[in-house]
Amino acid sequence: NAGVTQTPKFRVLKTGQSMTLLCAQDMNHEYMYWYRQDPGMGLRLIHYSVGEGTTAKGEVPDGYNVSRLKKQNFLLGLESAAPSQTSVYFCASREGLPSQPQHFGDGTRLSIL
Amino acid sequence: GIQVEQSPPDLILQEGANSTLRCNFSDSVNNLQWFHQNPWGQLINLFYIPSGTKQNGRLSATTVATERYSLLYISSSQTTDSGVYFCAAYNFNKFYFGSGTKLNVKP
Repeated sequence: NAGVTQTPKFRVLKTGQSMTLLCAQDMNHEYMYWYRQDPGMGLRLIHYSVGEGTTAKGEVPDGYNVSRLKKQNFLLGLESAAPSQTSVYFCASREGLPSQPQHFGDGTRLSIL
Repeated sequence: GIQVEQSPPDLILQEGANSTLRCNFSDSVNNLQWFHQNPWGQLINLFYIPSGTKQNGRLSATTVATERYSLLYISSSQTTDSGVYFCAAYNFNKFYFGSGTKLNVKP
């Protein structure tokens, strides 16, 4: 049981390049989340999904797009990367009930030059 | 959204000491989650506690929802407890994180 797996673990991009981060979970969870963590700060929600085919904006959605075509996968896209998007990105998933906690992946460290 | 404040921001303890971390939140929440981020950056679930008290070994947590705060107690601290402790308040499908308490336990 792998839990939540993020791909890739590290990536360096040049300004203006595009890329997609993949989050995969094998727990059949309904909800999935993408966060970013900047130095000395807590996590901030970028986008989330409450089920296959659904997405919604979080606190800091600008510059990112997401898709949830399959229940187990949640993709985060950067269409034109900017240095301000240098961060550590975490994905999480959880069951649909409010009483259930989030489970996190190990993070993707993204640097944009 | 919900504002979440954690205190203290930094804490240095001698091994074996006890500590209390606090999390205040600005509005009613459906649930409250505590995490430990270890030195390798991994986020580990500690407690998911909308109200009342839970205990797990040397750690326990209490949430007083009516007064909008939660406390995390660490007893007999160990060097492996070092890292950053976050709380996250849950409401309307979203989690709102505090800025964390950075704990350094010295041998």
